[in-house]
Amino acid sequence: KQEVTQIPAALSVPEGENLVLNCSFTDSAIYNLQWFRQDPGKGLTSLLLIQSSQREQTSGRLNASLDKSSGRSTLYIAASQPGDSATYLCAVNSGGYQKVTFGTGTKLQVIP
Amino acid sequence: SAVISQKPSRDICQRGTSLTIQCQVDSQVTMMFWYRQQPGQSLTLIATANQGSEATYESGFVIDKFPISRPNLTFSTLTVSNMSPEDSSIYLCSVLRQENTEAFFGQGTRLTVV
Repeated sequence: KQEVTQIPAALSVPEGENLVLNCSFTDSAIYNLQWFRQDPGKGLTSLLLIQSSQREQTSGRLNASLDKSSGRSTLYIAASQPGDSATYLCAVNSGGYQKVTFGTGTKLQVIP
Repeated sequence: SAVISQKPSRDICQRGTSLTIQCQVDSQVTMMFWYRQQPGQSLTLIATANQGSEATYESGFVIDKFPISRPNLTFSTLTVSNMSPEDSSIYLCSVLRQENTEAFFGQGTRLTVV
């Protein structure tokens, strides 16, 4: 059974800092991995999708990497801004439409 | 990307009543997914809704408590029945883009049962 862990659970940084969020998973036989952002009480916004054959994906100030063999993904946020404050979730698709497992999230606060 | 409209966005309900949550997608999809996110926790899949067939429920979730309708390829409803305070959660619908299985979510329904 796939298990997804995110460390740290919470993170507080000053504005402008570069930061890394971590996601680890127990079964390396994955189809893809997706990073989401969730604002309080709201739905999930897709940030980046990495297919199993890819090593990284970039979108603006965000860069996500994937190392399947070690069961890890990182989300790098450059030059953080207060608007980046949210909970970040990673989700692992282990193949098949029902086999998406979510991590518990990292709650990020960027202080002006 | 898929655009998913979910409503209501939030509600406060009395225990023992039922709430129906609607999810509308801007394109036809084969499967729609309903998730629950309890306070401070991650997402748990409730059921998968296929058009033209009964929904498939995950362990711990039953049709009597969470009946689902899927009348066509762009719409689904989830009902939370006979609610108790333990049902207070965010409920989310989701679809997967067929080409690359990228997941998209509605805005969520924040339910509080008093």
